[in-house]
Amino acid sequence: QKEVEQDPGPLSVPEGAIVSLNCTYSNSAFQYFMWYRQYSRKGPELLMYTYSSGNKEDGRFTAQVDKSSKYISLFIRDSQPSDSATYLCAMSTGNQFYFGTGTSLTVIP
Amino acid sequence: DADVTQTPRNRITKTGKRIMLECSQTKGHDRMYWYRQDPGLGLRLIYYSFDVKDINKGEISDGYSVSRQAQAKFSLSLESAIPNQTALYFCATSDFLGQTLNEQFFGPGTRLTVL
Repeated sequence: QKEVEQDPGPLSVPEGAIVSLNCTYSNSAFQYFMWYRQYSRKGPELLMYTYSSGNKEDGRFTAQVDKSSKYISLFIRDSQPSDSATYLCAMSTGNQFYFGTGTSLTVIP
Repeated sequence: DADVTQTPRNRITKTGKRIMLECSQTKGHDRMYWYRQDPGLGLRLIYYSFDVKDINKGEISDGYSVSRQAQAKFSLSLESAIPNQTALYFCATSDFLGQTLNEQFFGPGTRLTVL
């Protein structure tokens, strides 16, 4: 079983839609839960992260962690064409990072 | 200028050839990493180094070796390249901030094709 599971998509939505991206994991020792965004032909960039359980909001983006279900989500409100990218979830115990496979998102104008 | 650079950006080589991918960083970070990215498999850790004298194997180190020449330089070698090493390779760096997230900063990637 993989440490981190993520639906690869692809996901295609109209501009302005709410997007929900999800990952599940198996290692209960994970403490940091991250979302990276990767544009085509670029390296991943950290979008936001959460320590332990709970929600975190940053502008149009909200990250949620449910440690009891080993489930994390990223919500994008009022999606824009510039949000079109691959989104990777990642988890860490502190030193090593474990990445999901990434979900490809296209926001259609 | 980019904080994490990788050379070459693209490379096509033949089975059995020795290949070196190089990574340099100007962020002053002690920690450096090599990942490969494959469709459907995501990012997988090959090797990581927490300082110049520290080298650790990651999830998929077989067939690879690394050298940490200086704090700012971390090279990945394929001693005898094989086709299933065709992938996108990323170098990353991070600082160590104690009990907080040590954010990783990625380079632009090297696309390697082994024929």
